[in-house]
Amino acid sequence: QVQLVQSGAEVKKPGASVKVSCRASGYTFISYYMHWVRQAPGQGLEWMGLIIPNGGDTSYAQKFQGRVTMTRDTSTSTVYMELNSLRSEDTAVYYCARARPFPAWGQGTLVTVSS
Amino acid sequence: EIVLTQSPGTLSLSPGERATLSCRASQSVSSSYLAWYQKKPGQAPRLLIYGASSRATGIPDRFSGSGSGTDFTLTISRLEPEDFAVYYCQQYGASPLTFGGGTKVEIK
Repeated sequence: QVQLVQSGAEVKKPGASVKVSCRASGYTFISYYMHWVRQAPGQGLEWMGLIIPNGGDTSYAQKFQGRVTMTRDTSTSTVYMELNSLRSEDTAVYYCARARPFPAWGQGTLVTVSS
Repeated sequence: EIVLTQSPGTLSLSPGERATLSCRASQSVSSSYLAWYQKKPGQAPRLLIYGASSRATGIPDRFSGSGSGTDFTLTISRLEPEDFAVYYCQQYGASPLTFGGGTKVEIK
Protein backbone atom coordinates (compact mmCIF):
# COMPACT_ATOMS: atom_id res chain seq x y z
CA GLN A 1 0.00 0.00 0.00
CA VAL A 2 1.04 3.58 -0.59
CA GLN A 3 2.96 5.05 2.33
CA LEU A 4 4.47 8.47 2.83
CA VAL A 5 6.69 8.74 5.91
CA GLN A 6 7.93 12.15 6.97
CA SER A 7 10.81 13.22 9.16
CA GLY A 8 10.32 14.22 12.76
CA ALA A 9 9.37 17.46 14.46
CA GLU A 10 11.73 20.41 14.30
CA VAL A 11 12.27 23.50 16.42
CA LYS A 12 13.99 26.40 14.70
CA LYS A 13 14.89 29.97 15.50
CA PRO A 14 13.66 32.85 13.37
CA GLY A 15 15.83 33.32 10.32
CA ALA A 16 16.92 29.69 10.21
CA SER A 17 16.08 27.06 7.62
CA VAL A 18 14.29 23.73 7.92
CA LYS A 19 14.37 20.72 5.62
CA VAL A 20 11.57 18.18 5.86
CA SER A 21 11.74 14.81 4.14
CA CYS A 22 9.02 12.52 2.84
CA ARG A 23 9.89 8.94 1.92
CA ALA A 24 7.50 7.18 -0.44
CA SER A 25 6.84 3.46 -0.78
CA GLY A 26 4.25 1.14 -2.27
CA TYR A 27 4.16 2.66 -5.76
CA THR A 28 6.40 3.81 -8.60
CA PHE A 29 7.94 6.95 -7.17
CA ILE A 30 8.59 8.78 -10.44
CA SER A 31 5.06 8.27 -11.72
CA TYR A 32 3.30 10.74 -9.42
CA TYR A 33 3.82 14.38 -8.58
CA MET A 34 4.39 15.18 -4.92
CA HIS A 35 2.85 18.22 -3.27
CA TRP A 36 3.47 20.02 0.01
CA VAL A 37 0.65 21.46 2.11
CA ARG A 38 0.85 23.12 5.49
CA GLN A 39 -1.55 23.93 8.31
CA ALA A 40 -0.74 26.59 10.87
CA PRO A 41 -2.30 26.29 14.34
CA GLY A 42 -6.01 27.06 14.17
CA GLN A 43 -5.79 27.79 10.44
CA GLY A 44 -6.80 26.04 7.25
CA LEU A 45 -4.84 24.08 4.69
CA GLU A 46 -2.39 25.91 2.45
CA TRP A 47 -0.81 24.55 -0.73
CA MET A 48 2.91 25.32 -1.00
CA GLY A 49 3.93 23.74 -4.26
CA LEU A 50 4.85 20.56 -6.05
CA ILE A 51 7.76 18.60 -7.43
CA ILE A 52 7.74 16.25 -10.40
CA PRO A 53 9.91 13.30 -9.30
CA ASN A 54 10.63 12.35 -12.92
CA GLY A 55 13.00 15.16 -13.79
CA GLY A 56 12.79 17.30 -10.68
CA ASP A 57 10.78 20.23 -12.07
CA THR A 58 9.00 22.29 -9.46
CA SER A 59 6.14 24.76 -9.17
CA TYR A 60 5.74 26.91 -6.09
CA ALA A 61 2.90 29.01 -4.75
CA GLN A 62 3.75 32.67 -5.22
CA LYS A 63 3.68 33.23 -1.48
CA PHE A 64 6.67 30.93 -1.02
CA GLN A 65 8.66 31.81 -4.17
CA GLY A 66 12.25 32.56 -3.26
CA ARG A 67 11.95 30.95 0.17
CA VAL A 68 11.10 27.33 -0.58
CA THR A 69 13.03 24.65 -2.43
CA MET A 70 11.66 21.21 -3.22
CA THR A 71 14.03 18.46 -4.30
CA ARG A 72 13.96 14.71 -4.70
CA ASP A 73 16.25 11.70 -4.49
CA THR A 74 15.02 8.97 -6.79
CA SER A 75 17.48 6.45 -5.35
CA THR A 76 15.66 6.56 -2.00
CA SER A 77 12.19 7.61 -3.26
CA THR A 78 12.36 10.67 -1.05
CA VAL A 79 11.28 14.24 -1.59
CA TYR A 80 12.46 17.18 0.45
CA MET A 81 10.99 20.57 1.26
CA GLU A 82 13.35 23.26 2.51
CA LEU A 83 11.99 26.55 3.81
CA ASN A 84 14.38 29.42 4.49
CA SER A 85 14.26 32.66 6.48
CA LEU A 86 11.81 31.14 8.92
CA ARG A 87 9.49 33.39 10.89
CA SER A 88 7.00 32.68 13.63
CA GLU A 89 4.17 32.56 11.08
CA ASP A 90 5.82 29.48 9.55
CA THR A 91 5.00 27.46 12.66
CA ALA A 92 2.78 24.76 11.20
CA VAL A 93 2.35 21.10 10.43
CA TYR A 94 3.82 20.37 7.00
CA TYR A 95 2.44 17.52 4.91
CA CYS A 96 3.55 15.84 1.74
CA ALA A 97 0.71 14.52 -0.42
CA ARG A 98 0.80 12.42 -3.57
CA ALA A 99 -0.59 13.56 -6.89
CA ARG A 100 -3.86 15.45 -7.21
CA PRO A 101 -6.30 15.11 -5.73
CA PHE A 102 -4.54 13.84 -2.67
CA PRO A 103 -5.51 10.28 -1.74
CA ALA A 104 -2.28 9.73 0.18
CA TRP A 105 -0.67 11.99 2.75
CA GLY A 106 2.33 11.84 5.01
CA GLN A 107 1.73 11.86 8.75
CA GLY A 108 2.78 15.49 9.03
CA THR A 109 5.84 17.21 10.47
CA LEU A 110 5.45 19.91 13.09
CA VAL A 111 7.85 22.79 12.56
CA THR A 112 7.99 25.26 15.42
CA VAL A 113 9.69 28.61 14.88
CA SER A 114 10.48 30.31 18.15
CA SER A 115 13.23 32.39 19.65
CA GLU B 1 -6.10 32.41 -8.12
CA ILE B 2 -9.42 30.68 -7.49
CA VAL B 3 -10.81 31.60 -4.08
CA LEU B 4 -13.05 29.00 -2.44
CA THR B 5 -15.58 30.17 0.14
CA GLN B 6 -17.12 27.55 2.39
CA SER B 7 -20.32 27.96 4.35
CA PRO B 8 -21.39 27.76 7.01
CA GLY B 9 -18.31 28.18 9.14
CA THR B 10 -19.74 25.88 11.79
CA LEU B 11 -22.59 23.39 11.60
CA SER B 12 -24.06 22.14 14.89
CA LEU B 13 -25.94 18.90 14.39
CA SER B 14 -26.84 15.70 16.20
CA PRO B 15 -25.82 12.16 15.20
CA GLY B 16 -28.25 10.81 12.63
CA GLU B 17 -28.97 14.23 11.12
CA ARG B 18 -28.15 15.32 7.59
CA ALA B 19 -25.28 17.73 6.97
CA THR B 20 -25.09 19.97 3.92
CA LEU B 21 -21.85 21.87 3.32
CA SER B 22 -21.35 24.46 0.62
CA CYS B 23 -18.27 25.50 -1.36
CA ARG B 24 -18.43 28.43 -3.77
CA ALA B 25 -15.60 29.28 -6.17
CA SER B 26 -14.67 32.76 -7.39
CA GLN B 27 -14.48 31.41 -10.94
CA SER B 28 -15.47 28.21 -12.68
CA VAL B 29 -13.55 25.12 -11.54
CA SER B 30 -12.02 23.37 -14.52
CA SER B 31 -13.55 19.97 -15.37
CA SER B 32 -15.08 19.76 -11.93
CA TYR B 33 -11.65 19.30 -10.38
CA LEU B 34 -13.13 19.80 -6.95
CA ALA B 35 -12.32 17.62 -3.94
CA TRP B 36 -13.52 17.36 -0.35
CA TYR B 37 -11.37 16.36 2.62
CA GLN B 38 -12.11 15.49 6.23
CA LYS B 39 -9.63 16.75 8.82
CA LYS B 40 -9.42 15.66 12.45
CA PRO B 41 -6.94 17.02 15.01
CA GLY B 42 -3.60 15.26 14.91
CA GLN B 43 -4.43 13.43 11.70
CA ALA B 44 -3.64 14.04 8.05
CA PRO B 45 -6.53 15.12 5.85
CA ARG B 46 -8.57 12.29 4.35
CA LEU B 47 -9.81 12.48 0.77
CA LEU B 48 -13.57 11.92 0.63
CA ILE B 49 -14.70 13.14 -2.79
CA TYR B 50 -12.89 13.99 -6.03
CA GLY B 51 -14.13 15.16 -9.40
CA ALA B 52 -16.94 16.88 -7.48
CA SER B 53 -18.97 13.69 -7.05
CA SER B 54 -16.78 10.57 -7.04
CA ARG B 55 -16.20 8.90 -3.70
CA ALA B 56 -12.62 8.01 -2.87
CA THR B 57 -11.68 4.43 -2.06
CA GLY B 58 -13.19 3.18 1.17
CA ILE B 59 -15.44 6.18 1.76
CA PRO B 60 -18.93 5.25 3.04
CA ASP B 61 -21.86 6.02 0.77
CA ARG B 62 -23.37 8.39 3.32
CA PHE B 63 -20.89 10.93 1.88
CA SER B 64 -21.88 12.42 -1.46
CA GLY B 65 -20.73 15.36 -3.53
CA SER B 66 -22.48 17.38 -6.18
CA GLY B 67 -22.20 20.57 -8.17
CA SER B 68 -20.32 22.07 -11.08
CA GLY B 69 -18.98 25.40 -12.25
CA THR B 70 -18.77 27.55 -9.16
CA ASP B 71 -21.15 25.88 -6.71
CA PHE B 72 -20.45 22.60 -4.98
CA THR B 73 -22.00 20.68 -2.10
CA LEU B 74 -20.89 17.92 0.24
CA THR B 75 -23.75 16.01 1.88
CA ILE B 76 -23.47 13.59 4.77
CA SER B 77 -26.80 11.79 4.78
CA ARG B 78 -26.78 10.58 8.41
CA LEU B 79 -24.07 11.77 10.72
CA GLU B 80 -22.12 9.11 12.57
CA PRO B 81 -20.11 10.01 15.71
CA GLU B 82 -16.85 9.73 13.75
CA ASP B 83 -18.02 12.31 11.18
CA PHE B 84 -17.67 15.27 13.51
CA ALA B 85 -14.63 17.04 12.09
CA VAL B 86 -13.58 19.92 9.85
CA TYR B 87 -14.25 19.61 6.12
CA TYR B 88 -12.31 21.38 3.39
CA CYS B 89 -13.01 21.76 -0.29
CA GLN B 90 -10.10 22.06 -2.73
CA GLN B 91 -9.84 22.93 -6.38
CA TYR B 92 -7.04 21.16 -8.22
CA GLY B 93 -7.74 22.22 -11.77
CA ALA B 94 -5.73 25.42 -11.79
CA SER B 95 -2.49 26.55 -10.24
CA PRO B 96 -2.18 27.53 -7.49
CA LEU B 97 -4.22 24.75 -5.95
CA THR B 98 -6.46 26.29 -3.33
CA PHE B 99 -8.49 25.18 -0.33
CA GLY B 100 -11.58 26.66 1.21
CA GLY B 101 -11.49 27.95 4.76
CA GLY B 102 -13.25 24.88 6.15
CA THR B 103 -16.57 23.99 7.76
CA LYS B 104 -16.54 22.57 11.27
CA VAL B 105 -19.25 19.99 11.90
CA GLU B 106 -19.75 19.84 15.65
CA ILE B 107 -22.00 17.88 17.95
CA LYS B 108 -25.08 19.81 18.98
